[in-house]
Amino acid sequence: AQSVTQLGSHVSVSEGALVLLRCNYSSSVPPYLFWYVQYPNQGLQLLLKYTSAATLVKGINDFEAEFKKSETSFHLTKPSAHMSDAAEYFCAVAYSGGYQKVTFGTGTKLQVIP
Amino acid sequence: DAGVTQSPTHLIKTRGQQVTLRCSPKSGHDTVSWYQQALGQGPQFIFQYYEEEERQRGNFPDRFSGHQFPNYSSELNVNALLLGDSALYLCASSLELSMGEKLFFGSGTQLSVL
Repeated sequence: AQSVTQLGSHVSVSEGALVLLRCNYSSSVPPYLFWYVQYPNQGLQLLLKYTSAATLVKGINDFEAEFKKSETSFHLTKPSAHMSDAAEYFCAVAYSGGYQKVTFGTGTKLQVIP
Repeated sequence: DAGVTQSPTHLIKTRGQQVTLRCSPKSGHDTVSWYQQALGQGPQFIFQYYEEEERQRGNFPDRFSGHQFPNYSSELNVNALLLGDSALYLCASSLELSMGEKLFFGSGTQLSVL
């Protein structure tokens, strides 16, 4: 069964510092991987997705993630945190035989300290 | 172009009651998925509808049922409400033929069961 594990339910960074949110996946077939962001009282918005093209995926708002098959990881990074990045981030996985059933991780809440 | 719309935004029910939540997908989308997001958790897949039929189902009891209409809009019904059903219910739409394509989420319906 497919699943994702997000390491760290809360992450705090200083404004301007590197953001690193960790995600490891478990899938018996090549996965599709996603990062979504959720602001308070809102639905989820896609940041980026990996669909077996380039292993380094660039998303919106300068976020990017690298697919590492050997480590079964898909960590999310951003070079310089902004206050507006404070939100909850979800890693998610799907696979081609899954009719778009997307399985989400438990989320990482990002706090940005001024 | 309207995105995914859900109604109502908030709902308060008592144990044992029944509730119906509604979702209109993004224009052009034909697949609707429903997710339950408990406080502090990631979204959990309930079921997915395509061509007016339930195509996939997550680990939810039969008290959770749904429907998709010819115009692709969808309803989620929950019978015999339990306190544990209190959560944010998210609807997501997508294109069936676009595996790996992103899900578009609505802002959700916040259900409180007293």
